[in-house]
Amino acid sequence: QQQVKQSPQSLIVQKGGISIINCAYENTAFDYFPWYQQFPGKGPALLIAIRPDVSEKKEGRFTISFNKSAKQFSLHIMDSQPGDSATYFCAASMGGAQKLVFGQGTRLTINP
Amino acid sequence: NAGVTQTPKFRVLKTGQSMTLLCAQDMNHEYMYWYRQDPGMGLRLIHYSVGEGTTAKGEVPDGYNVSRLKKQNFLLGLESAAPSQTSVYFCASSTPTGGRAGEQFFGPGTRLTVL
Repeated sequence: QQQVKQSPQSLIVQKGGISIINCAYENTAFDYFPWYQQFPGKGPALLIAIRPDVSEKKEGRFTISFNKSAKQFSLHIMDSQPGDSATYFCAASMGGAQKLVFGQGTRLTINP
Repeated sequence: NAGVTQTPKFRVLKTGQSMTLLCAQDMNHEYMYWYRQDPGMGLRLIHYSVGEGTTAKGEVPDGYNVSRLKKQNFLLGLESAAPSQTSVYFCASSTPTGGRAGEQFFGPGTRLTVL
C-alpha cells in the first residue's frame, strides 16, 4: 500500500542546473507535506515543508510546488550544487499522531 | 542539545536472537517513532508513541515490540530476529505544538544485519 509515490528514483543534474523531484499522494486527508534530505550514513533531516493552504513555498534555493486538485507536489532545487548530492524523500502526514508516509526516495547526483 | 540519539550504531545478530534498540531524545518531545529503511522502499513506520506509557502499531509492526516507560526514551525490541529484519532503523521525535509542530527529528540510525 503505497500512499505516496515519488519519481524519479535517481537523477543526475549538472552544477547550476535545476533539479526537480515529483510526488503524488492518494489520501486527501493529508495536511502536511515535508521533504527530507538524507546524506549517506546519516538520518533524514527536514529540508522544507508545506501545508495545503498554499500552492508554493520557497526557502533559499529550494521550492515546493503544491497542486491540491492533482494531489501532487514537487521539490525544485535551483542552481544545484555538488553539496546537494543526497537522497531526497517526500512525505505526507495528517493530524493526530503526525505519522509520516514516505515516498520511495530519489538519489540526486550533481555533477561538477 | 544532542537531539535524538540511538544505541547501538551497528549490530549483527544470528537468526532467532533477540535485541533491544534504544532511542533517546532531549527535546522534551511528546511523540516518538520507529522506522525501518530498506532500499527502494523509503522509510516505513514500525511503531509509534504519543506519550509516556502509550504505544501503537504502524505500517510494519510484525516481529517488533516497543516500550515507552520514560518520555525521553523509546525502545524497539526484536524477540526472535529474522533475516527479513535486516535493515537500517531510525528513531524520530516530534512535538504537536509550537512553531516546529509536526517536524520529525531523526536519529543517526542503527544498521542491523541478521544472518
